[in-house]
Amino acid sequence: SQQGEEDPQALSIQEGENATMNCSYKTSINNLQWYRQNSGRGLVHLILIRSNEREKHSGRLRVTLDTSKKSSSLLITASRAADTASYFCATALLAGANNLFFGTGTRLTVIP
Amino acid sequence: NAGVTQTPKFQVLKTGQSMTLQCAQDMNHNSMYWYRQDPGMGLRLIYYSASEGTTDKGEVPNGYNVSRLNKREFSLRLESAAPSQTSVYFCASSDVGTSPLHFGNGTRLTVT
Repeated sequence: SQQGEEDPQALSIQEGENATMNCSYKTSINNLQWYRQNSGRGLVHLILIRSNEREKHSGRLRVTLDTSKKSSSLLITASRAADTASYFCATALLAGANNLFFGTGTRLTVIP
Repeated sequence: NAGVTQTPKFQVLKTGQSMTLQCAQDMNHNSMYWYRQDPGMGLRLIYYSASEGTTDKGEVPNGYNVSRLNKREFSLRLESAAPSQTSVYFCASSDVGTSPLHFGNGTRLTVT
């Protein structure tokens, strides 16, 4: 399966600290996306990084992609209690594919 | 500014009953998707529709059927519900296949 694997499964940090989540996948990709899911809600897209990009920033989010290691990381800086959620990576295969493969997620808890 | 709307939000079925989950998007997206989310399994694709008039199987299509009624609406039908179909079902849409997905808030289905 192409499904990504996030690591760690759960992460608990103090407000103000940085949170790092990792994602590994198995086959060549067109892009990799990170999503956030608050409890009881649908997923919300955070950031997309293409296979020819190595790093991307969006506000307090920083995503890196290492295609040689087939891995990505999501860094949330200066975390807030409102960042408490589950975070998922999703991989899109080569261009033209019509679906994403989601990982199992990292549950982040930010303690005020 | 509704985005993706799913109905119903909650449903309890007995084994063998049938039901249809409804999904509508107002973003003029071409592609629509049905995922299921189970604890520890991440999201798995059931069916998708790359464009109006087309549907294709995803990772876990058995026991389900879909209809792309028009560009806005994509329904998921369970003909004879089984306890293994107890899950949270998410509908999503996107402009093109590998672009970011927009999710509804899910339907929580329990089959007893």
